[in-house]
Amino acid sequence: AQSVAQPEDQVNVAEGNPLTVKCTYSVSGNPYLFWYVQYPNRGLQFLLKYITGDNLVKGSYGFEAEFNKSQTSFHLKKPSALVSDSALYFCAVSPTGFQKLVFGTGTRLLVSP
Amino acid sequence: DADVTQTPRNRITKTGKRIMLECSQTKGHDRMYWYRQDPGLGLRLIYYSFDVKDINKGEISDGYSVSRQAQAKFSLSLESAIPNQTALYFCATSDPSGTHYNEQFFGPGTRLTVL
Repeated sequence: AQSVAQPEDQVNVAEGNPLTVKCTYSVSGNPYLFWYVQYPNRGLQFLLKYITGDNLVKGSYGFEAEFNKSQTSFHLKKPSALVSDSALYFCAVSPTGFQKLVFGTGTRLLVSP
Repeated sequence: DADVTQTPRNRITKTGKRIMLECSQTKGHDRMYWYRQDPGLGLRLIYYSFDVKDINKGEISDGYSVSRQAQAKFSLSLESAIPNQTALYFCATSDPSGTHYNEQFFGPGTRLTVL
């Protein structure tokens, strides 16, 4: 069965510093991988996805993620954090050809001024 | 996403009551989903529907039922609510084709409290 692990409940970073939110996955076959963000009192918003091709995927708001098949990871990164990036971030996986998503438990990102 | 709406946004009810949460979408997507979010557990899939005649159980369907009244409407019912169903519930839609393939679009959520 497929699963997603987000090992950090919370990540703290100072504004202007680079940030990384970690995600590892377990799935049979070639995975589709996603990052979503949830702001307070809002639904989830799509950030980026990896389907195939270039391992470095660029998404919304300056975020990017790197697919690493050997380490089964899909870490979310941003070169320079903003206070407004503070939110709850979810990694999700879908087995190839399916549209059911399995979500991680989420990582809260706090960016301090 | 304003194209996916949920009603009500907040609901407080008592144990044993029947509750219906409604979801409507104007995105024209065939596929719709119901999730619940609990702190520390992320989102878990309750039910999903790939078209009006197709309903499937997710990982935590016990105690819930759904109805797909039309392409645009997907309702979640709690026949007899219990306190451990207190959670934030999200509806989502997706399209199996196009540039947004496999992306899910979420409604704003319904916060349900069962006393």
